[in-house]
Amino acid sequence: DAGITQSPRHKVTETGTPVTLRCHQTENHRYMYWYRQDPGHGLRLIHYSYGVKDTDKGEVSDGYSVSRSKTEDFLLTLESATSSQTSVYFCAISEAGLNEKLFFGSGTQLSVL
Amino acid sequence: KNEVEQSPQNLTAQEGEFITINCSYSVGISALHWLQQHPGGGIVSLFMLSSGKKKHGRLIATINIQEKHSSLHITASHPRDSAVYICAVKGNQFYFGTGTSLTVIP
Repeated sequence: DAGITQSPRHKVTETGTPVTLRCHQTENHRYMYWYRQDPGHGLRLIHYSYGVKDTDKGEVSDGYSVSRSKTEDFLLTLESATSSQTSVYFCAISEAGLNEKLFFGSGTQLSVL
Repeated sequence: KNEVEQSPQNLTAQEGEFITINCSYSVGISALHWLQQHPGGGIVSLFMLSSGKKKHGRLIATINIQEKHSSLHITASHPRDSAVYICAVKGNQFYFGTGTSLTVIP
């Protein structure tokens, strides 16, 4: 199994508070991704990173920011949490190339009340 | 618009049945992935394929690049196969289907 850890696993917070989710990998993979998973939708890309300090937006990036100061860590911040951001968040990693496999963390269940 | 469509959305089978899950996509891809997600669990990769067919135990995945279609087959299904199966394709980014929820009844 790929070494990828998400924290926390569960989080309950109040509307308007900032929240940071952490993704840590031990695989030294270049690409890291944050997705959210909601009923009726496929996994949707929030932000991704293609290297240290190199990040870009995905299709549902509004209200989220990311940072990657080290290869192994990718942080997702909800600047001011809203109830629409209640979701399951998955971090994923990949190494570009012919055999580009995607490895996922265990997910973070976030509830914004 | 959904770049990846899966069918069926939900599937219930008796133990031992042969199961097929279908995936169609609309973008150019370099590879297609089949993923498995157990209830409350993480997501694991079952297959990555860019042509032809792959087999792993009771699972078989096929892809037809010209028709932009893939199938995941499970032979001799077992209750432990109960999970959500997700089709994903790699174009300029990864695109995901909404998943097929499979329940195998003993």
